Amino acid sequence: GAVVSQHPSRVICKSGTSVKIECRSLDFQATTMFWYRQFPKKSLMLMATSNEGSKATYEQGVEKDKFLINHASLTLSTLTVTSAHPEDSSFYICSALPGQGSETQYFGPGTRLLVL
Amino acid sequence: SQQGEEDPQALSIQEGENATMNCSYKTSINNLQWYRQNSGRGLVHLILIRSNEREKHSGRLRVTLDTSKKSSSLLITASRAADTASYFCATAQETSGSRLTFGEGTQLTVNP
Repeated sequence: GAVVSQHPSRVICKSGTSVKIECRSLDFQATTMFWYRQFPKKSLMLMATSNEGSKATYEQGVEKDKFLINHASLTLSTLTVTSAHPEDSSFYICSALPGQGSETQYFGPGTRLLVL
Repeated sequence: SQQGEEDPQALSIQEGENATMNCSYKTSINNLQWYRQNSGRGLVHLILIRSNEREKHSGRLRVTLDTSKKSSSLLITASRAADTASYFCATAQETSGSRLTFGEGTQLTVNP
């Protein structure tokens, strides 16, 4: 149980295009999902908290207009990198909390984004 | 310094040996969690220890928490080559709800 998927697993795009990444909780409902960014050999940096039915909460320094988050259902959150540039190239990982009071986040397998 | 510093940054041991990784943090926490990440993959939750707990076991894993020193350790006993991965501690701070702050991680290499 508690499986989280991400799609796509890797994407290459041209500079200036937008890329959408999906995060799905497969066997549980998640009122809260999180989006992280990870640089090579580095730790995870929390970008934003995605709450079903409400606006996402962004961490300090993360541009909300650059990284659009939509949590339209209890099993799906999407992260759209708008007008991507090479510096947006990174490993993006989502996680999901299975319900109120849960302390354990379950992570997706990550999406490798390369912007040329 | 950042919340969730880990040491060592890298650890190389032989199969069968024990591996100990340490994590320090700065603020009061609700719980501390350890995760494992294989290269280029997502994170796997290993164990969670709450702020009122001092020690927890799960299989070959033993985690300790010292809130007075704001530190935690992860011990992997009888290591295997398959344990090779990056290990991260993450804290759920009292003021941050369920949001996690990750440490820098320890890269563990277990040589067969």
